[in-house]
Amino acid sequence: DAGITQSPRYKITETGRQVTLMCHQTWSHSYMFWYRQDLGHGLRLIYYSAAADITDKGEVPDGYVVSRSKTENFPLTLESATRSQTSVYFCATRVGGLTEAFFGQGTRLTVV
Amino acid sequence: QQQVKQSPQSLIVQKGGISIINCAYENTAFDYFPWYQQFPGKGPALLIAIRPDVSEKKEGRFTISFNKSAKQFSLHIMDSQPGDSATYFCAARGGIQGAQKLVFGQGTRLTINP
Repeated sequence: DAGITQSPRYKITETGRQVTLMCHQTWSHSYMFWYRQDLGHGLRLIYYSAAADITDKGEVPDGYVVSRSKTENFPLTLESATRSQTSVYFCATRVGGLTEAFFGQGTRLTVV
Repeated sequence: QQQVKQSPQSLIVQKGGISIINCAYENTAFDYFPWYQQFPGKGPALLIAIRPDVSEKKEGRFTISFNKSAKQFSLHIMDSQPGDSATYFCAARGGIQGAQKLVFGQGTRLTINP
C-alpha cells in the first residue's frame, strides 16, 4: 500500500533505554519530518530531513537522534528515554515544497 | 514570536450549524497557513491552506478567512455534520527557503451534535 508506515504503533519502554521509531514512505518525497503530539501543545517538530543524508533540528530536538541513509526511511532514536518523552510521534512527508501533506498513523510511546 | 494561538480549545455545534475556529500569529514572515483535521487514532490530514495574499479560500464546506493586518485567520465549516467531529489544527509556515518549518496551534476539539 502506498503511503507512510510507522512502526511500532505502540511501544512501552523503561527509562534509560534506547528506542527507535521507524518511518517508511513508499513514494520518494524529499522532505520528511518527525513531530510529537502532546495535549495542549499541538504538534511540535523534532527533526526534519530535506533529502538523504541531510537532517536538521526542529523545535524540540533534545534527546533525539535521526538518520536518513535512504530517501524512503527516516528513523527516530531516543538515545536514553525519559518519562517526558512519553508522547504520540508522527512522521510526515512534504509534497511540492508547500506543507506537510501526508502523516503516518503515529506511534504511541510510553516511557515508564 | 513563533507561536500560533488557536481558540477555542473545544467547540460544540449543532448539526447544520457553522463551526468557527480562530488562530492568531505574531511572526509576519509566515508565508503559508494550512489547516489539518485529525480523527482519533489517526494522523493529521491536510484539509485546506491559504497564502497571505489571499483573504479567503473555499473548498466545499470549508472556508479559510485570512486577515493579514490583524494577523489572524480562521476556519469556517458550513453545514457542520457529525462526520466533521474531529480535532482541528491550524499551522503557519516560516523560515528560509528549503528550511521552512510549520508551527502548529494547540488544536480545537470539535463535536457536532446530531
